[in-house]
Amino acid sequence: GQNIDQPTEMTATEGAIVQINCTYQTSGFNGLFWYQQHAGEAPTFLSYNVLDGLEEKGRFSSFLSRSKGYSYLLLKELQMKDSASYLCAVRDEDYKLSFGAGTTVTVRA
Amino acid sequence: ETGVTQTPRHLVMGMTNKKSLKCEQHLGHNAMYWYKQSAKKPLELMFVYNFKEQTENNSVPSRFSPECPNSSHLFLHLHTLQPEDSALYLCASSQGLAESYEQYFGPGTRLTVT
Repeated sequence: GQNIDQPTEMTATEGAIVQINCTYQTSGFNGLFWYQQHAGEAPTFLSYNVLDGLEEKGRFSSFLSRSKGYSYLLLKELQMKDSASYLCAVRDEDYKLSFGAGTTVTVRA
Repeated sequence: ETGVTQTPRHLVMGMTNKKSLKCEQHLGHNAMYWYKQSAKKPLELMFVYNFKEQTENNSVPSRFSPECPNSSHLFLHLHTLQPEDSALYLCASSQGLAESYEQYFGPGTRLTVT
């Protein structure tokens, strides 16, 4: 089976930076996605990495190292509305998407 | 609003009932998915349809029966469920199955089996 690990919870202060790590072991690799899910709502797409390196989108950045089976999502200038669960998902050689259990980020004032 | 709608949003059913979940996407996508999300667990892929054809059944028990009459609509028919089937059921769609296509999720149906 696929194995995707990410921390369960993280807490940070408004205006700070938080880095959410994700490690994976999958049968093949066809891209890594990050999704944001607020409580009671649908997951929404944040970023996609298929090549090594950093992808930046405003306050959010995502990094991938395929050789290490590792990614991180960096959230800068944290806002209260960033309190949510962040899901790491990997597409395997059969193009199936497997998700981690999610990291709940709590932003404190 | 992601362009994917699901009804009902909440459902309580007994173990002997039969009910159906509905998903509709207004994005012109060709692929649709059913996921199960249980508390503190990863999203579990259940079924995948591409151009109305089922391409994936992830070892789902037969008490869950999907139906995809066209590329815009997806149903999940439920019968003789168990209490452990209580979860959030999410529908998603994507333009296709290729690696770069992100999935757009509906708000989910919160199912409680009593």
